[in-house]
Amino acid sequence: GAGVSQTPSNKVTEKGKYVELRCDPISGHTALYWYRQSLGQGPEFLIYFQGTGAADDSGLPNDRFFAVRPEGSVSTLKIQRTERGDSAVYLCASSPGTGTEAFFGQGTRLTVV
Amino acid sequence: AQSVTQLDSQVPVFEEAPVELRCNYSSSVSVYLFWYVQYPNQGLQLLLKYLSGSTLVKGINGFEAEFNKSQTSFHLRKPSVHISDTAEYFCAVSEHTNAGKSTFGDGTTLTVKP
Repeated sequence: GAGVSQTPSNKVTEKGKYVELRCDPISGHTALYWYRQSLGQGPEFLIYFQGTGAADDSGLPNDRFFAVRPEGSVSTLKIQRTERGDSAVYLCASSPGTGTEAFFGQGTRLTVV
Repeated sequence: AQSVTQLDSQVPVFEEAPVELRCNYSSSVSVYLFWYVQYPNQGLQLLLKYLSGSTLVKGINGFEAEFNKSQTSFHLRKPSVHISDTAEYFCAVSEHTNAGKSTFGDGTTLTVKP
């Protein structure tokens, strides 16, 4: 597709469950980023991939959060034992390299009930 | 470490009036600066960016911003706003080593009234 695609657009899950959020970046973009946007706040950086490897995971809040990008394209953000505080919009972005801005997807709204 | 402060959480303005959304940043290294717009239930759209060169940057939808290194500011301006400009606006800063890894402000809600 022409832009960054994120699925699902909305996800409701029960506290304690496991969830996976998918990001399909712009074709050819080697850099991929995950951000989390809580209500009333700006996006917060979670993790950055260059190719297949997580080059910077300094923003992941704890070990319940994990992300992969096995073939250097699609990425999955995985959250174990979800908590109500994980409720937020999770944004994915991609870039052709680190010298220019990233392009954002529409986000996945995660609600933990 | 970097930080971004958007000085106004809400800015109400009448249609066709000028507007300025203020942004200050803090960083110990050289930075790139961005303004994004977010419409309800949508992702972030880049309005404009400062990477290097001229400190006055023009973006989409008639917006412009000026990078002031001495005041560490990057204020967003538009001479005449429209109802359709009603949205959330975010200022962001990145280090030169990775333009896509940004620190965002908490946003300014611009409400344009008829």
